[in-house]
Amino acid sequence: DIQMTQSPSSLSASVGDRVTITCQASQDINNFLNWYQQKPGKAPNLLIYDASNLKTGVPSRFSGSGSGTHFTFSISSLQPEDFATYYCQQYDGRPITFGQGTRLEVK
Amino acid sequence: QVQLQESGPGLVRPSQTLSLTCTVSGGSISSAGYYWSWIRQRPGKGLEWIGYIYYSGSAYYNPSLKSRAAISVDTPKNQFSLNLTSVTAADTAVYYCARDFTVNGYWFDPWGQGTLVTVSS
Repeated sequence: DIQMTQSPSSLSASVGDRVTITCQASQDINNFLNWYQQKPGKAPNLLIYDASNLKTGVPSRFSGSGSGTHFTFSISSLQPEDFATYYCQQYDGRPITFGQGTRLEVK
Repeated sequence: QVQLQESGPGLVRPSQTLSLTCTVSGGSISSAGYYWSWIRQRPGKGLEWIGYIYYSGSAYYNPSLKSRAAISVDTPKNQFSLNLTSVTAADTAVYYCARDFTVNGYWFDPWGQGTLVTVSS
């Protein structure tokens, strides 16, 4: 299985901050990497697909980059509704695997 | 827009079979280019992909389930289902169904709201 390692596991930040999360794949996955946001008690919601493409309707403060084994996800200016858990997901290999999640908390 | 809704028992006894159904509305489960997945999330943990099915009946499973999982599709009812046999407490989780977008990429969108299944005697 392809292992996806996110860092940090948790992050404290304030409204207006810029935050960055990284996702490291255990092998080259090209750009076959997606990012999801999950709020408590809710299903995950796709934000970014193929490493850097913003899903229609997702605010432009969200962005992603990377290829190969190293990927980053950023929020340029945190809004109150952005405090949630974020997951990366690879689809280069089967089974499809997710990172362990990064919990973004209010400082 | 497509919506998914999970249904099934919230409590399953150990060693029994967990059975869940996902009903798709707003679109056809037979649409080309879409697979249909089950994903679970143990309490306080991350996401684990269980497997997917195509409307033709072709399925793929995560080997971690050690052949306990089976996904089936009912195209007239626009539903797909998950059976997980020989459950233990480790199978307690929120189970999500999701649509797999597979054209020039692969992502899960949308998801059902999820249903909590507790394995306990």
